[in-house]
Amino acid sequence: QVQLVGSGGGVVQPGRSLRLSCAASGFTFSSYAMHWVRQAPGKGLEWVAVISYDGRETYYADSVKGRFTISRDNSKNTLYMQMNSLRDEDTAEFYCARDRQQLVLGDAFDVWGQGTTVIVSS
Amino acid sequence: DIQMTQSPSSVSASVGDRVTITCRASQGISTWLVWYQQKPEQAPKSLIYASSNLESGVPSRFSGSASGTDFTLTISSLQPEDFATYYCQQYKSYPYTFGQGTKLEIK
Repeated sequence: QVQLVGSGGGVVQPGRSLRLSCAASGFTFSSYAMHWVRQAPGKGLEWVAVISYDGRETYYADSVKGRFTISRDNSKNTLYMQMNSLRDEDTAEFYCARDRQQLVLGDAFDVWGQGTTVIVSS
Repeated sequence: DIQMTQSPSSVSASVGDRVTITCRASQGISTWLVWYQQKPEQAPKSLIYASSNLESGVPSRFSGSASGTDFTLTISSLQPEDFATYYCQQYKSYPYTFGQGTKLEIK
């Protein structure tokens, strides 16, 4: 079945880096744009970044621009988020999510991963 | 950025009640709006996309509508499994933005 499995979260000190991964299965990963969405403890959802199905286009929330980099390896069916210069306020559950339609950039999400927890703390 | 204002922030209701949640966009987004349901410790789940299209497998008691920049999610007859937090989100342009969420609690 269609599945996204996030990993790579952990506890990291402010200023350090972390790389999240999201492994996709059950669908043609290379045909779908992919997103990262985060949720701070007890808070609402915040969209973080998107990458087009071919990896050529990316967009970011202002809160992470210049610090986070979204990427993908279509040969490995895996989405990544490289997070540098982490701050306390980056503490959150990070979800990967898939665009509803193939071969477009700019759609609602229809499949979500289970989330991976990032805690930034000294 | 497009701001999404969702109301109410919380609502108490009973099984069988009809509940309406509203989301207002700060500018026109056509029908590029989706509603998600999130239960504690779970990832969000898509309910309705393009303002009024029911996601496959979602019960027909859920419906969505749009009027200008105002969007509504209606649950016609609450079931026990519907008690959760609901979010709207616009996907007209980046950055995508969410409403603040509505927590639906049992009265």
